[in-house]
Amino acid sequence: GESVGLHLPTLSVQEGDNSIINCAYSNSASDYFIWYKQESGKGPQFIIDIRSNMDKRQGQRVTVLLNKTVKHLSLQIAATQPGDSAVYFCAEMIRFGNEKLTFGTGTRLTIIP
Amino acid sequence: NAGVTQTPKFQVLKTGQSMTLQCAQDMNHEYMSWYRQDPGMGLRLIHYSVGAGITDQGEVPNGYNVSRSTTEDFPLRLLSAAPSQTSVYFCASSMTSANEQFFGPGTRLTVL
Repeated sequence: GESVGLHLPTLSVQEGDNSIINCAYSNSASDYFIWYKQESGKGPQFIIDIRSNMDKRQGQRVTVLLNKTVKHLSLQIAATQPGDSAVYFCAEMIRFGNEKLTFGTGTRLTIIP
Repeated sequence: NAGVTQTPKFQVLKTGQSMTLQCAQDMNHEYMSWYRQDPGMGLRLIHYSVGAGITDQGEVPNGYNVSRSTTEDFPLRLLSAAPSQTSVYFCASSMTSANEQFFGPGTRLTVL
């Protein structure tokens, strides 16, 4: 079946450096992708999304890149801060299809002071 | 706006007991969903609803029932709790199925 996976379960980055979190998806029909941040004891929080008609989308200190050819998604966080330490999930959906969001297993990002 | 609220925050049940996890949103969102989160497995969709009176099954629906009598509320019922249902449960809502979902704070359920 379809799945959303992550290349790295854990990532440690020095404060102030940039971080990149990767995600592979297998459902080529997916046309909407979302990155969520989850801090300990809290629900997932929306970070940024991208639709399949785009390759790149930027937010505040975050950029999402989508490569449909190899079915790969990445989240770049610039100038990382201690508050960026969390688990990051990518999720995929077919927007006007199965109406179900499928999550990956998550990457734990730790910012080293 | 309170956003998405969930009660209770913590719950301990004995095997075979039933209970209802409450979820409410005040954003007039049409789409609501329930997920469970287990260690190392991310979030898995249990049930979802695209509007009042409409519900459908997600990836792991067995042992759970839902109803959507109003736009605001989407309760999740455990019919006969089993230890395998020990998990953290999250409710989420969005304007439609094609928009970002907003998550509640979660309910940590332990079944003994």
